[in-house]
Amino acid sequence: DTGVSQNPRHKITKRGQNVTFRCDPISEHNRLYWYRQTLGQGPEFLTYFQNEAQLEKSRLLSDRFSAERPKGSFSTLEIQRTEQGDSAMYLCASSLNTPQETQYFGPGTRLLVL
Amino acid sequence: AQSVSQHNHHVILSEAASLELGCNYSYGGTVNLFWYVQYPGQHLQLLLKYFSGDPLVKGIKGFEAEFIKSKFSFNLRKPSVQWSDTAEYFCAVAGNQFYFGTGTSLTVIP
Repeated sequence: DTGVSQNPRHKITKRGQNVTFRCDPISEHNRLYWYRQTLGQGPEFLTYFQNEAQLEKSRLLSDRFSAERPKGSFSTLEIQRTEQGDSAMYLCASSLNTPQETQYFGPGTRLLVL
Repeated sequence: AQSVSQHNHHVILSEAASLELGCNYSYGGTVNLFWYVQYPGQHLQLLLKYFSGDPLVKGIKGFEAEFIKSKFSFNLRKPSVQWSDTAEYFCAVAGNQFYFGTGTSLTVIP
């Protein structure tokens, strides 16, 4: 399968714990996006990378959220000190170099914070 | 600020009925417009996109959308829906950032 992959697919954690999600984009794609989706809503843009550079992070929900893409390939999204309101589906997408290019989405990581 | 509005939250149609899903956006600059679909249990996937040129865009599975700049709209249409079109449909706009609408849930009754 050469699509976008995300791990884990499901994560249950207790409030206050840190969680980290991984996204592996399509190999030739140099743009990588993170979104959050809650029930009944569309995907909410969080941040994106072009290669290893994080070009937009103002939409990250709080300073508890951070993302990295150290070698311009896979990316991680970390949520520190999780809260119940962080429960959501976290989606990753990748694309080629320009905003006009189609974003290809992964299956998402569903987070439940107890 | 950019935003995207999808007016229909839930639509139920019988097979062979025509479909039109509304999408309006607010952004003063040049935009790129998309419709994505999410079939039950599957990833989001692109239906069609508009960047420039002919404002009537054709996508996969018989869908089309028309960009009307004066109305800030990008409505999705299909002349005859099938049961397999049952899915969640999202309009999205990329200006200086990327925004999705809240989605429209379409149920097609056989």
